[in-house]
Amino acid sequence: AQSVTQLGSHVSVSEGALVLLRCNYSSSVPPYLFWYVQYPNQGLQLLLKYTTGATLVKGINGFEAEFKKSETSFHLTKPSAHMSDAAEYFCAVTVTDSWGKLQFGAGTQVVVTP
Amino acid sequence: DGGITQSPKYLFRKEGQNVTLSCEQNLNHDAMYWYRQDPGQGLRLIYYSQIVNDFQKGDIAEGYSVSREKKESFPLTVTSAQKNPTAFYLCASSKGGDNQPQHFGDGTRLSIL
Repeated sequence: AQSVTQLGSHVSVSEGALVLLRCNYSSSVPPYLFWYVQYPNQGLQLLLKYTTGATLVKGINGFEAEFKKSETSFHLTKPSAHMSDAAEYFCAVTVTDSWGKLQFGAGTQVVVTP
Repeated sequence: DGGITQSPKYLFRKEGQNVTLSCEQNLNHDAMYWYRQDPGQGLRLIYYSQIVNDFQKGDIAEGYSVSREKKESFPLTVTSAQKNPTAFYLCASSKGGDNQPQHFGDGTRLSIL
């Protein structure tokens, strides 16, 4: 079975600083990886996904993530934080023949300070 | 615009009462999912359905039931057997297939009176 670990339940960044959210996965077969963002009292919105091909994936709102098989990681980054980036971020994994079932990490709450 | 509609946004349940959460999608997606979200625990899968008239239990199905009579609709019933129902419930859909992203509704917050 696959699983996801997100390091850090809360991250505080200054406006304009680098945003780095860490995600490590466990899977015995090649994974499909996703990052979602959730604003208060709303559903989840897809930021980006890795399925196959290029390991550096670009998403919406200036975010990107790099799939590193050797490190079993899929960290999310954004070069310059905006106040609007304050939200909760979830990493999720699924694999082939899993009926699309996602395993989510516990989430990382991002606070952006002026 | 296509999307997923969950209703109501807030719901209150009395002891011993069953309540039903609505989820409707107009994305023409085959697969639909129900998740429960609790603070600090991420999302946990309750039930999922890949096609009409078929559904499977997820990781925490006890105390819940679903139906999938129409492609567009996947209602979730929280029964009185669910002893700790207070949570944020999210419905999602996808085209089906393991590498397809899921699209989420805006959730229903269920509380106990």
